[in-house]
Amino acid sequence: DAGVIQSPRHEVTEMGQEVTLRCKPISGHDYLFWYRQTMMRGLELLIYFNNNVPIDDSGMPEDRFSAKMPNASFSTLKIQPSEPRDSAVYFCASSPLTGTGVFNEQFFGPGTRLTVL
Amino acid sequence: KQEVTQIPAALSVPEGENLVLNCSFTDSAIYNLQWFRQDPGKGLTSLLLIQSSQREQTSGRLNASLDKSSGRSTLYIAASQPGDSATYLCAVAPTQGGSEKLVFGKGTKLTVNP
Repeated sequence: DAGVIQSPRHEVTEMGQEVTLRCKPISGHDYLFWYRQTMMRGLELLIYFNNNVPIDDSGMPEDRFSAKMPNASFSTLKIQPSEPRDSAVYFCASSPLTGTGVFNEQFFGPGTRLTVL
Repeated sequence: KQEVTQIPAALSVPEGENLVLNCSFTDSAIYNLQWFRQDPGKGLTSLLLIQSSQREQTSGRLNASLDKSSGRSTLYIAASQPGDSATYLCAVAPTQGGSEKLVFGKGTKLTVNP
């Protein structure tokens, strides 16, 4: 398996522009997570999906952020309009579901480094 | 609210040294604890996962221990190598509020000098 795939790897945009980040999880994984990493705050969970359904979006910072998962193999994180403080590395991760319900390990993509000027 | 702390924030050691990285968490109600490695400009790679019922896990030169009652975990790296240089993060899966929601520490940046 190719692992979790994210695109683009780097994105530079100007304030006010719309940004769309993409993620392809590992095939067969039921959970998909979006994280943001900054020096100040470390790694923060933004939202996660189970079987394509958003379960918890309490980490999404503002209404400017939205995420979708139209099918089991694709998810997007959109920021509109973008602001300089959104500059960070955004990670997507996926995880398989275990029959016991015990949380399983997460597998991370390489991340998208976003710079908003 | 669960908080995860990793001390020190950075560590520099000579090659061949055995070392210990520390992780502490404030709430012992966890399903498991996971150690990750992050290389510069890269994503996180899972190293070891310890279930709450376990005391330790081993993989090669790595050994992770878990003392849930005291809210502590350690990652022991034996015979360190320059290739071990990376940032190491620990994360806990809490039993409250959704076990899928990992809570991460800010990491320890390890440098192994040849």
